[in-house]
Amino acid sequence: EAQVTQNPRYLITVTGKKLTVTCSQNMNHEYMSWYRQDPGLGLRQIYYSMNVEVTDKGDVPEGYKVSRKEKRNFPLILESPSPNQTSLYFCASSLSIAGVSEQYFGPGTRLTVT
Amino acid sequence: AQKITQTQPGMFVQEKEAVTLDCTYDTSDPSYGLFWYKQPSSGEMIFLIYQGSYDQQNATEGRYSLNFQKARKSANLVISASQLGDSAMYFCAMRDVDSNYQLIWGAGTKLIIKP
Repeated sequence: EAQVTQNPRYLITVTGKKLTVTCSQNMNHEYMSWYRQDPGLGLRQIYYSMNVEVTDKGDVPEGYKVSRKEKRNFPLILESPSPNQTSLYFCASSLSIAGVSEQYFGPGTRLTVT
Repeated sequence: AQKITQTQPGMFVQEKEAVTLDCTYDTSDPSYGLFWYKQPSSGEMIFLIYQGSYDQQNATEGRYSLNFQKARKSANLVISASQLGDSAMYFCAMRDVDSNYQLIWGAGTKLIIKP
């Protein structure tokens, strides 16, 4: 089954404790992206990647890191999480960024930083 | 300036009625794409429909259609014969050259279908 998987689905952590949210897709997609979703703000892009070893900042990259060492994986790293990073996080992938190429979303990771 | 505006934070609609969810956008690029996604209470994001700026006809997918008015820069989603399962958040998104082809999202509309 074609899908984007994220782990963990739920995470409660404390300020400053490094964490990684994994994202993997099995569709051989070139493009991957991370978003955060906060009430009333829609989805805001954190980072994206056009291909292996190619990553770029989105609208809200501060406090986050990513890497794209393999095509299928695009982990999101919070080196020192803070309470304002409490949010719902989505990973997404698509074949390309052209035309009707829709983004496929993972199930989301709900992160709480205390 | 907001690139994507969804002016209806929430809507109540009677089951079986048609629903129109508003979306206006702002771009100077002649080539752009518009997307609608549905997010049920379970949280997943579900792609509904796409409209390209050069598409001659309004997009349709089953009960979903897009009322694309280019001159007004609007791309309203129309859901015909609404069902209880249509209750969800609905997001409009656009990508264009100004956004480096990244999706820019509206704030969403919460749709509740009443039985």
